[in-house]
Amino acid sequence: GAVVSQHPSWVICKSGTSVKIECRSLDFQATTMFWYRQFPKQSLMLMATSNEGSKATYEQGVEKDKFLINHASLTLSTLTVTSAHPEDSSFYICSASPPTSGPYEQYFGPGTRLTVT
Amino acid sequence: AQKITQTQPGMFVQEKEAVTLDCTYDTSDPSYGLFWYKQPSSGEMIFLIYQGSYDQQNATEGRYSLNFQKARKSANLVISASQLGDSAMYFCAMREAPIGGYNKLIFGAGTRLAVHP
Repeated sequence: GAVVSQHPSWVICKSGTSVKIECRSLDFQATTMFWYRQFPKQSLMLMATSNEGSKATYEQGVEKDKFLINHASLTLSTLTVTSAHPEDSSFYICSASPPTSGPYEQYFGPGTRLTVT
Repeated sequence: AQKITQTQPGMFVQEKEAVTLDCTYDTSDPSYGLFWYKQPSSGEMIFLIYQGSYDQQNATEGRYSLNFQKARKSANLVISASQLGDSAMYFCAMREAPIGGYNKLIFGAGTRLAVHP
């Protein structure tokens, strides 16, 4: 089956610094990748849709200048949390969508737990 | 706007018994897909089962079945013969027909299932 990896799996950073999270599709090309955020004991909230070679599409209420998304290749999308603050501490999950359609349309990465101190 | 509702924040079941997790949805689009995911404490999202809006039969995958009642807009997950390893968070999600090719998933609030020996 399709595999999506994320790196790092967890990260602790100081307030005001920036953190980059990578999402890679390991055995398929992903024209579209999605970034979700999940606060403790809550559901996944879609942050943005990332498309290779074009600008990301952000969901309403998500600050595009704070959460920079770059889909540099068909296997890599990155999420950079700029000037992180404690309220940005969350579980960030990416998913990738292969070009072919089907019920298994999104493959999820294992997630990255961000803690901002 | 589409919406997913999971009204059971928590459920308990005895090992080897069956359990039903409720999910209702709201959409005006005639073409949509419904998903169930399992999220154990590790955080990974595990795909369980999929039901397309035009599928005539209820989806089944091993011990998982989806009770799809289109007129009532419900898509309940039935887990038969519960196992201790089924203890996890369960999310219902919906995908509307892609807009611009993006298969966005909208998640419900989730139900935490605890299986007791």
